[in-house]
Amino acid sequence: EPEVTQTPSHQVTQMGQEVILRCVPISNHLYFYWYRQILGQKVEFLVSFYNNEISEKSEIFDDQFSVERPDGSNFTLKIRSTKLEDSAMYFCASSGGLNYNEQFFGPGTRLTVL
Amino acid sequence: GNSVTQMEGPVTLSEEAFLTINCTYTATGYPSLFWYVQYPGEGLQLLLKATKADDKGSNKGFEATYRKETTSFHLEKGSVQVSDSAVYFCALLSNFGNEKLTFGTGTRLTIIP
Repeated sequence: EPEVTQTPSHQVTQMGQEVILRCVPISNHLYFYWYRQILGQKVEFLVSFYNNEISEKSEIFDDQFSVERPDGSNFTLKIRSTKLEDSAMYFCASSGGLNYNEQFFGPGTRLTVL
Repeated sequence: GNSVTQMEGPVTLSEEAFLTINCTYTATGYPSLFWYVQYPGEGLQLLLKATKADDKGSNKGFEATYRKETTSFHLEKGSVQVSDSAVYFCALLSNFGNEKLTFGTGTRLTIIP
């Protein structure tokens, strides 16, 4: 069964450093998303991406964040200058195909900012 | 804006007990409703969904009915197992071209043998 994959599973970085989180969505999907979950809190929407551009972003997704689909398979989230409060689990999701309103989630990347 | 309110956890039950996790929502129009489950150390998995009023989603013995009159989508299971221990998230997807899922806070469920 096709699945969304994410790398790395855990990333530790120093405050102020840039990080890139990587995702490979399900191959025939057209809509891509990033969500985050701060430990013990709810899952929050960050950004959605369709047709090579951002379709919606939340207030969390400020100028420090960017997304890119550099090739036909990867979907990345970049945080330019990480802050302590960026520590969270980041989930990538994709949707498309017949069940267009079902979003399939990856296993997540745990980001720890020291 | 859209919002989802879930019953506070954690919830601890004995094996074979009946489970209800309450979920109510606020949204304009006719959203689709979902329950996601997160097992320890894993990502979010879709458990079940309902896309219109009175629809019942079901999977793995879990059920939830989309009740527009009470704006609710409560999750139920008749007889829980230890393997059902996880965090359960209620979520909605607006049908006004807004693609983002809005999640509840999650309910941690622990089943004891």
